[in-house]
Amino acid sequence: EILMTQSPATLSVSPGERATLSCRASQGVSSDLAWYQQKPGQAPRLLIYGASTRATGVPPRFSGNGSGTEFTLTISSLQSEDFAVYYCQQYHNWPPLTFGPGTKVDIK
Amino acid sequence: QVQLVQSGPEVKKPGSSVKVSCKASGDIFSDYTFSWVRQTPGRGLEWMGRIIPLIDAANYAQNFQGRVTITADKSTNTAYMELSSLTFEDAAVYYCARGPLGADNYFDSWGRGTLVTVSS
Repeated sequence: EILMTQSPATLSVSPGERATLSCRASQGVSSDLAWYQQKPGQAPRLLIYGASTRATGVPPRFSGNGSGTEFTLTISSLQSEDFAVYYCQQYHNWPPLTFGPGTKVDIK
Repeated sequence: QVQLVQSGPEVKKPGSSVKVSCKASGDIFSDYTFSWVRQTPGRGLEWMGRIIPLIDAANYAQNFQGRVTITADKSTNTAYMELSSLTFEDAAVYYCARGPLGADNYFDSWGRGTLVTVSS
């Protein structure tokens, strides 16, 4: 099973600032990596797949990068609606499909 | 616009089973796969398994093998997840999530979740 880790656990950012979230896989997953955003009481929402392809309707301030074992999600200028928990998920080697534990982005 | 509408909250006793449904609309049901993912504060997001309605084939996570059954009814565009031998640790929000056919198993649409409570 591929284990996913994320850092930091919590990221405190001011609106308008840049946020960089990290995700690491215990073994190489090529570019088979997705990012999701989850707000309280809601289901996760797909932001990025293929490590760097934005899903339909996702604003360009969200960008994904990386391959192999190291990945980043960058939010270039945080808006109020971006404060949420972000999860990465690998789909390279499964079953099982596995998620990271999440990074909470909150208001500084 | 795809919609995944899940069945309502459930309260179950330990040792019993729960069956959750997920009705899809807005797209061709058999063009996608449907997974079940559960979420708890302690264990985060856990993938349980998925079904390919086109060929009626299911895959399961080993952690749930033998306890979970995922099925699909193409006539009603509905996927189902049944989990048996419930314990208190199965209390969670259960999501259905849609994925593309093929090798890329990410989830582009999610249901709102079904809360399953396990209580004696």
